[in-house]
Parts: sequence; structure tokens; C-alpha cells
Amino acid sequence: SYVLTQPPSVSVAPGETARITCGDNNIGGKIVHWYQQRPGQAPILVIYYDGDRPSGIPERFSGSNSGNTATLTISRVEAGDEADYYCQVWDSSSDLRYVFGTGTKVSVL
Amino acid sequence: QVLLVQSGAEVKKPGASVRLSCKASGYIVTDYHLHWVRQAPGQGLEWMGWISPKSGDTKFAQKFQGRVTMTRDTSISTGYVELSGLRSDDTAVYYCARSAGIEDFLDHWGQGTLVIVSS
Repeated sequence: SYVLTQPPSVSVAPGETARITCGDNNIGGKIVHWYQQRPGQAPILVIYYDGDRPSGIPERFSGSNSGNTATLTISRVEAGDEADYYCQVWDSSSDLRYVFGTGTKVSVL
Repeated sequence: QVLLVQSGAEVKKPGASVRLSCKASGYIVTDYHLHWVRQAPGQGLEWMGWISPKSGDTKFAQKFQGRVTMTRDTSISTGYVELSGLRSDDTAVYYCARSAGIEDFLDHWGQGTLVIVSS
């Protein structure tokens, strides 16, 4: 089935920058959203329309999208950022319509 | 504030059906589509489909066609998903979530409902 490719895990020290990629052929031509899912909790939206932040999401979270890769960047990583992160696109050519990435586990060292 | 509150955990036998609910509050329910997304243990997110509370129109992922039904009762701001012919690989947490449009992001999610399929 159609999924977006993400690295399984990313490890980062507190205060450093985490970059999570989401790959697909010409994903830059699609709109990408990102969700954070802490252990045992429901996902929450952290980035929409490639790089916009919902209210309440820290400025440390940013997104970009170009070519074959979309990227979620978490600056000045904190312990509370440890979670799974999923990218998502809407694809009219796919049966799935709402397509999620494979997910990336961010571990704060 | 926007809240999506889901029904409690279910344990079902293979071949049975399960019906889950999602009660919305804090917004006009007919202004937003309601989606269902599931997550098997230790796995990623899988989109199942959506329903328009305004029209009742639905759209499902092909793998669930014929097994899933989505309905709504706008009088009580509640959406439902029913999955039939349950198999062990339907064991998952099922989430409802809303979007402003059929192409839009999922900006609020329910807390999830665990469904266990086991003989």
C-alpha cells in the first residue's frame, strides 16, 4: 500500500536540532502535515500546510517541503519532544486519500 | 474547546462486528468532516475513511470497502463507525478526528478506543 517513507528513528541531545524527513516522488507538489504522538496518547497536529503551526505549538517546530523530501525540524529539543512523528498528505490519485508516513521515533538522549 | 470523546474499549470474537462512537463538542459538527484512523499495536497510523456530518456522504479506503459503515446522528453530535467480519488483525486503537474539508489536515483527535479481536 501507499506510504510515505520516514526514518524509523532519530536520536538527539537536549538543546540540539532534530530533523525528520518524509520522502515521496515529488512530495514537493503536495501539501504535507505533521503529527506528534506521545506514548499512549492520541496524535496531535504540529505542522500543517507544509510549515504552518497551530496555536499552542512552540516556534521550535518548523516544516519545509521541496522536491522529493518534506522535513520537520525541531529546534532546541526538549525531553517532552520525545514522541513518534508522522507526516501525512492528501492524494487524490490514491485510493487512500489520506496517506501517512511510516513514522519516526524521536529519542532525546 | 473542541473535544472528541470516544466510547470505551471493546473485546470481540473473530467474525463479530463492532460499533464505536465519537461525540463532538465545542464546534458546529456539520462544518467539519469526521475521519476514522486506526493504529495496530506498535504500528503506524492507517486512514479508514470519512463521513460528512452535513450530508452523510462517506469515503472509505478500499481495503475496508464492504466491511465498514460510517454514520452520524447530528442531533447528538455523534459519529459512528461499524466494522464487520472482525479478524485478529483488526485489533487496534481506533481514533476519530475532524477536518475542515475532505482534503484538509486532522486538527483535533479523539482519545482513541481499543478494540481487541480474540477468540
